[in-house]
Amino acid sequence: EPEVTQTPSHQVTQMGQEVILRCVPISNHLYFYWYRQILGQKVEFLVSFYNNEISEKSEIFDDQFSVERPDGSNFTLKIRSTKLEDSAMYFCASNPLTPSTGNHLSGANVLTFGAGSRLTVL
Amino acid sequence: GEDVEQSLFLSVREGDSSVINCTYTDSSSTYLYWYKQEPGAGLQLLTYIFSNMDMKQDQRLTVLLNKKDKHLSLRIADTQTGDSAIYFCADYSSASKIIFGSGTRLSIRP
Repeated sequence: EPEVTQTPSHQVTQMGQEVILRCVPISNHLYFYWYRQILGQKVEFLVSFYNNEISEKSEIFDDQFSVERPDGSNFTLKIRSTKLEDSAMYFCASNPLTPSTGNHLSGANVLTFGAGSRLTVL
Repeated sequence: GEDVEQSLFLSVREGDSSVINCTYTDSSSTYLYWYKQEPGAGLQLLTYIFSNMDMKQDQRLTVLLNKKDKHLSLRIADTQTGDSAIYFCADYSSASKIIFGSGTRLSIRP
């Protein structure tokens, strides 16, 4: 079954450093997302990406963050000048958003998540 | 903005039914989802319901949607120890943003 792949699974970095988290969405999917989950807390929306541009972003997604689809397969989240509070699990997801087939139970518009990248900022 | 609320904890006896509740604020929701997160793992889609449906049943899972009250529930029949996890309700109103609740931690008593 197709899956969303995330690397690294765990990254430890020093405060102030830049990190890049990588995701390979499912190949025929059109919408991509980053979410984060601080330990024990809710899954928070960061950003969505469609047609090579940001579709929507949350108030968390400030100038410290950026996303990019540098080639046809990778989708990256860059966090500049990391802070202690950036420590979290970061989840990538993709959504097929296939054209409507008239069957709302077709499985379209269902997000598939990767296993997550745990970021620890020291 | 849109919000999704869930109770944080639920404890049930093995073999009983579990009912996890969720409320949401978005009037334009088109899909509502239930995701399961096991310890140390990612989010796994359990089931979803389209907003023009009242109920959906899938084996041990029953989803009820009260659109008037903006209330969603997930019932797990014959709860087993393998059902121990955090269950997230999520609201889809547009492809650009899907909002998750805080998750309900389900624990199973022997």
